[in-house]
Amino acid sequence: SQQGEEDPQALSIQEGENATMNCSYKTSINNLQWYRQNSGRGLVHLILIRSNEREKHSGRLRVTLDTSKKSSSLLITASRAADTASYFCATCPIRANSKLTFGKGITLSVRP
Amino acid sequence: GAVVSQHPSWVICKSGTSVKIECRSLDFQATTMFWYRQFPKQSLMLMATSNEGSKATYEQGVEKDKFLINHASLTLSTLTVTSAHPEDSSFYICSARDGKRSTVQYFGAGTRLSVL
Repeated sequence: SQQGEEDPQALSIQEGENATMNCSYKTSINNLQWYRQNSGRGLVHLILIRSNEREKHSGRLRVTLDTSKKSSSLLITASRAADTASYFCATCPIRANSKLTFGKGITLSVRP
Repeated sequence: GAVVSQHPSWVICKSGTSVKIECRSLDFQATTMFWYRQFPKQSLMLMATSNEGSKATYEQGVEKDKFLINHASLTLSTLTVTSAHPEDSSFYICSARDGKRSTVQYFGAGTRLSVL
């Protein structure tokens, strides 16, 4: 069953702008992860945030987690054309034996 | 580090034949590997979890006799699509966990299967 639900489904921005993507989930989690997928390729792990963390940074990425609202956001600052890809949030539910449940993904297009 | 190699990247086969897809962890030992299926512009659907030296655990609705999974070593898992039919055409992706404590998954590049 679908655990993570991202919004918007598609996002188009100009190079240099910030991109914000949101993810909501339903059950209690151990952690939440964001992945990136270029067209026709596998996924690349971007960042993991644990359930006891509220914010995490990695380069131009900023992830927040609000467990009370069961939601997370991924912010990409100063976007580049190379950031064009699909982005998925994945939740690791408690007692799920490390299985991840992926959302439907957000298609980000960064116009040069 | 944490590189996963998946082969082949693209395969076309006739209906009724079997296709084997390999997934290798190149620089770490993967006690657990996962096999996903992805339809165009959709999310990943977990098919099965593969543990080294034991039988794979299949998700509900996935036919174990149709999708044979073997995890013979800590660096190799294979998915065999048996008696493939056009409806099996899809993008198959494997992933692996590095160690028992981390839940981060490292993905192969995927295999595009087209069954004629």
